[in-house]
Amino acid sequence: GAGVSQSPSNKVTEKGKDVELRCDPISGHTALYWYRQSLGQGLEFLIYFQGNSAPDKSGLPSDRFSAERTGGSVSTLTIQRTQQEDSAVYLCASSPRAVWGRWEQYFGPGTRLTVT
Amino acid sequence: AQSVAQPEDQVNVAEGNPLTVKCTYSVSGNPYLFWYVQYPNRGLQFLLKYITGDNLVKGSYGFEAEFNKSQTSFHLKKPSALVSDSALYFCAVRDRNRDDKIIFGKGTRLHILP
Repeated sequence: GAGVSQSPSNKVTEKGKDVELRCDPISGHTALYWYRQSLGQGLEFLIYFQGNSAPDKSGLPSDRFSAERTGGSVSTLTIQRTQQEDSAVYLCASSPRAVWGRWEQYFGPGTRLTVT
Repeated sequence: AQSVAQPEDQVNVAEGNPLTVKCTYSVSGNPYLFWYVQYPNRGLQFLLKYITGDNLVKGSYGFEAEFNKSQTSFHLKKPSALVSDSALYFCAVRDRNRDDKIIFGKGTRLHILP
C-alpha cells in the first residue's frame, strides 16, 4: 500500500520567507510526528499529533514554527520568516497507535529545506 | 525526562565479524524501545522493537537487540556483519507513561569494512 508521502521533496527559499511543508500519512494511522534532521545529525523531535490534537508541542524550536492536522490525516508544518539555521531535512512519520503495541513509525522521504 | 543515548558516533567492524551498536535509555516508567536504520539517500526504516516479553528481540535483516532493564540498555547486534549493513542507526524510546512521544538518539554510523 501507499506509504507516507511528503511534499515538496526539495524547497529552496530566501531568508525571511514563509514555507509550508506537507505530510500525507498512511491511511488509518492516528499518530503523526514531525522531526528535523540536520546534516549528519540525529533526529530532533518537533511535534506529534494524536488525531487532530497535538498533546506535545515542546519540540518546536521557536514561535516561528507551527503545525496543524486536519481530518485526522494531512498535516502541514509552517515555518514563518525562515532563517538559515532552519535548513535541514524535515521528516514526517505516522504510526497505527490505535493498535496496541503497533507504535513503530513509518517515515516519509523527507523535505529538504534550504534557506539562502 | 525521557531520553536515549547512543554513546558511539561511529562503529567500524570487519565484514563477517559480530557487530554491536549501543543504546541506553532513561524514562520515568517502563520503556518501549525501537531501532531504525537509515541507508544512504533513503528514508528511515523500522528494524525491531521491544514492547514486552522476551528480552531478546529479532528484527529485519538478521538484526537482534537485547533489552536489559537493570542496565537500561537496548543494544543492537548482528552475529555476522555485511558490507550492506553500513548505514546510520537510530535507537528510540517511548515512555509508557507519557502518551505517544517518541524520542530518538543522535544516531550511530556503522561502517562495515570489506
